[in-house]
Amino acid sequence: AQSVTQPDIHITVSEGASLELRCNYSYGATPYLFWYVQSPGQGLQLLLKYFSGDTLVQGIKGFEAEFKRSQSSFNLRKPSVHWSDAAEYFCAVGAETNAGKSTFGDGTTLTVKP
Amino acid sequence: GAGVSQTPSNKVTEKGKYVELRCDPISGHTALYWYRQSLGQGPEFLIYFQGTGAADDSGLPNDRFFAVRPEGSVSTLKIQRTERGDSAVYLCASSLIGGAGEAFFGQGTRLTVV
Repeated sequence: AQSVTQPDIHITVSEGASLELRCNYSYGATPYLFWYVQSPGQGLQLLLKYFSGDTLVQGIKGFEAEFKRSQSSFNLRKPSVHWSDAAEYFCAVGAETNAGKSTFGDGTTLTVKP
Repeated sequence: GAGVSQTPSNKVTEKGKYVELRCDPISGHTALYWYRQSLGQGPEFLIYFQGTGAADDSGLPNDRFFAVRPEGSVSTLKIQRTERGDSAVYLCASSLIGGAGEAFFGQGTRLTVV
């Protein structure tokens, strides 16, 4: 069975500082990997996805993530955080045959200090 | 429409009552997904429709939960004899073709059972 672990429940960074959110997955075949952001009262917005090819993927809002098969990881990064990035972030893994049927981690809440 | 629309945005019901939650997917999207997000957790898959048929209902927790999509567009998630533990945000997503297609999420219906 597939699973996703986001080890950090809550992270606080200063505005302008760099950010890395961790994600580890368990999946028996080639995973389809996603990062979503959810602001209070909002739905999930896709930040980026990895299906195949280049292991460093670029997303919206200046985010990027790197797929490392040997570590079963798909960490999300941003070089300089903005106050508007404060939100909850979810990592998810989906099947090649049905990427929309995803297994999500429990999320990491990001707080940005001024 | 421009995005996935879910109604109502909030629903409060008494324990034991029946509720229906509606999802209007993006026009032309053949795949539709329901998820449930409990407080402090990531979304959990409930059911997947391809067209009118439920292709995968493995996530439905018990037989009190049922979903339909009679014309291959709008879907209704139905919960009978609601329990306090059913309180959660119910998310709907749609994608163009299923398979490797990206899923787009609605803003969810917050269900509170009192």
